[in-house]
Amino acid sequence: AQTVTQSQPEMSVQEAETVTLSCTYDTSENNYYLFWYKQPPSRQMILVIRQEAYKQQNATENRFSVNFQKAAKSFSLKISDSQLGDTAMYFCAFMKPSIIQGAQKLVFGQGTRLTINP
Amino acid sequence: DTAVSQTPKYLVTQMGNDKSIKCEQNLGHDTMYWYKQDSKKFLKIMFSYNNKELIINETVPNRFSPKSPDKAHLNLHINSLELGDSAVYFCASSQDFGVAETQYFGPGTRLLVL
Repeated sequence: AQTVTQSQPEMSVQEAETVTLSCTYDTSENNYYLFWYKQPPSRQMILVIRQEAYKQQNATENRFSVNFQKAAKSFSLKISDSQLGDTAMYFCAFMKPSIIQGAQKLVFGQGTRLTINP
Repeated sequence: DTAVSQTPKYLVTQMGNDKSIKCEQNLGHDTMYWYKQDSKKFLKIMFSYNNKELIINETVPNRFSPKSPDKAHLNLHINSLELGDSAVYFCASSQDFGVAETQYFGPGTRLLVL
């Protein structure tokens, strides 16, 4: 079974700084997908970024980028120029594709609570 | 135009009661999910449905019974509520093309069992 580990329960940085959230995972699969979701105090789960394991290029979305190291099974999230609105819980998640429709579940890490201070 | 909606947002009830949570998506997706987030914020899959058919049933007590009247709706009925059922329940949906499609989440339903 796949497991996802986020070793930083909490992090705190000043506004405009860059912050990196760690995520490691354990799988014997070669093809899989990785995600970062954000959960602000509103509780809504919002997709931040996704990465396909077969792609060597790291995914980027505006101020958010990942450092995907497949051999090390590491998938960290970098937030540049952090903003107050980035304050949230961040969850790393793993998904194994399946030919069975509906069988693709997200396996989540424990989450990292990120606080951006003014 | 909410993509994935859940009702109610909050639910406070007594132990032993039966309650339902409803989920609707207007994204045209064919797969819907229920996830549970416990008090430590840990999220875990409970069920998935594809075109009204149960696909994932992740060792959830049979007091929990999902029902999908059509592919845009997935409801969760819980019988004989227990204190340990207190959690936030998230509905999600995706369009399953046979690759790992992004799952879009509803706002969550916070259930508190007293």
